[in-house]
Amino acid sequence: EVQLVESGGGLVKPGGSLRLSCAASGFSFSRHHMSWVRQAPGKGLEWVAYISNSGTFIYYADALKGRFTISRDNANNSLYLQMNSLRAEDTALYYCVRLESGSYSDWFDPWGQGTLVTVSS
Amino acid sequence: SSELTQDPAVSVALGQTVKITCQGDSLRSYFGTWYQQKPGQAPIVVISDQHSRASGIPGRFSGSSSGNTVSLTITGAQAEDEADYYCASRDSSGNLWLFGGGTKLTVL
Repeated sequence: EVQLVESGGGLVKPGGSLRLSCAASGFSFSRHHMSWVRQAPGKGLEWVAYISNSGTFIYYADALKGRFTISRDNANNSLYLQMNSLRAEDTALYYCVRLESGSYSDWFDPWGQGTLVTVSS
Repeated sequence: SSELTQDPAVSVALGQTVKITCQGDSLRSYFGTWYQQKPGQAPIVVISDQHSRASGIPGRFSGSSSGNTVSLTITGAQAEDEADYYCASRDSSGNLWLFGGGTKLTVL
């Protein structure tokens, strides 16, 4: 069974840092591109970052560039998101997602259950 | 980058047909994907790869596109289809991903 399990969320003060992890299982992790997507409480989905299967290509949402760093460890089937200089508006449920590709497009599937990050003093 | 625009809320009578739309310039270059999210759950893919239904998605769900608009149609909506629906695609640069603001579907 394909599974993505996030961890590392919690309560952090504004300006603080947090490192999220995602443990992947049930598929060949090193062959898949991955992303993080977040959802603020009661709000919509927001794409955060992308990393290619080898880690060679990395992209970030414009608003997050410079504060967040995505990385991966293919030997340990793990995806990470280092978040620095956190702000109240970063409060959200952070989802780890696999990027699937088809003949015409790509999409995020599956999604983990998410890990909640709360930025508050 | 660009944006994907969805109506915030749509309602449909039980058993009737409803179309949920999503507009954006990036949709002229990239096919859209539709996700369904029920309260307290992670999103799941409904329509992907042009207009293909994801595994396990009932046949009453279908996708279509025209110009800068993609649509999700539910033919014979059921109570269990009540959910938030999000469209998504790459942005025009191809290096970023966009989500629409979501449409809350109510089945009356």
